[in-house]
Amino acid sequence: DAMVIQNPRYQVTQFGKPVTLSCSQTLNHNVMYWYQQKSSQAPKLLFHYYDKDFNNEADTPDNFQSRRPNTSFCFLDIRSPGLGDAAMYLCATLAGGGTDTQYFGPGTRLTVL
Amino acid sequence: SQQGEEDPQALSIQEGENATMNCSYKTSINNLQWYRQNSGRGLVHLILIRSNEREKHSGRLRVTLDTSKKSSSLLITASRAADTASYFCATDEGGSNYKLTFGKGTLLTVNP
Repeated sequence: DAMVIQNPRYQVTQFGKPVTLSCSQTLNHNVMYWYQQKSSQAPKLLFHYYDKDFNNEADTPDNFQSRRPNTSFCFLDIRSPGLGDAAMYLCATLAGGGTDTQYFGPGTRLTVL
Repeated sequence: SQQGEEDPQALSIQEGENATMNCSYKTSINNLQWYRQNSGRGLVHLILIRSNEREKHSGRLRVTLDTSKKSSSLLITASRAADTASYFCATDEGGSNYKLTFGKGTLLTVNP
């Protein structure tokens, strides 16, 4: 059974056209993360939520925003995608409270035309 | 900043051989984890080793940790074609127990 679900799996958008990526989890975990992963590179943390507390990485561009309306869902909004934003976007969760293992979704591959 | 650095960047072996990947990191850690990623998919947690542990086993996986050298190794024994994937080490940056920093990964190809 899928525990971290990402929709869509593939997203094509146009340069400058806003896009929203979705992540949901059935694990009831406290922490949710968004990572950006470019080809042959390590996942790069964009931001994370611990419950409702939003934590932005210092080098995450303002073009990237996130929403977590409830425990189960988290959204990544890219306000004006550029060609350099084409990447795999990975959502992950963590139970919190001293646990360490992150559970990843399958990712959304974003193409910017 | 890049915390974990794996080597080699790519490794190609024959089925049945052992595969060893190494990871180095820079700051103190509470634990180090290894994840696997099949092409175009999310990451899957393989194994976690705590800073007070030196070796850990899980099935065909063996992980070692040397905190004095700030390095870890992942050994996959009797490799299979299905082990073909990228393998990443990840450390809890600055001792944070819920924020990980990933290395660049090792692409392992196991030829049938």
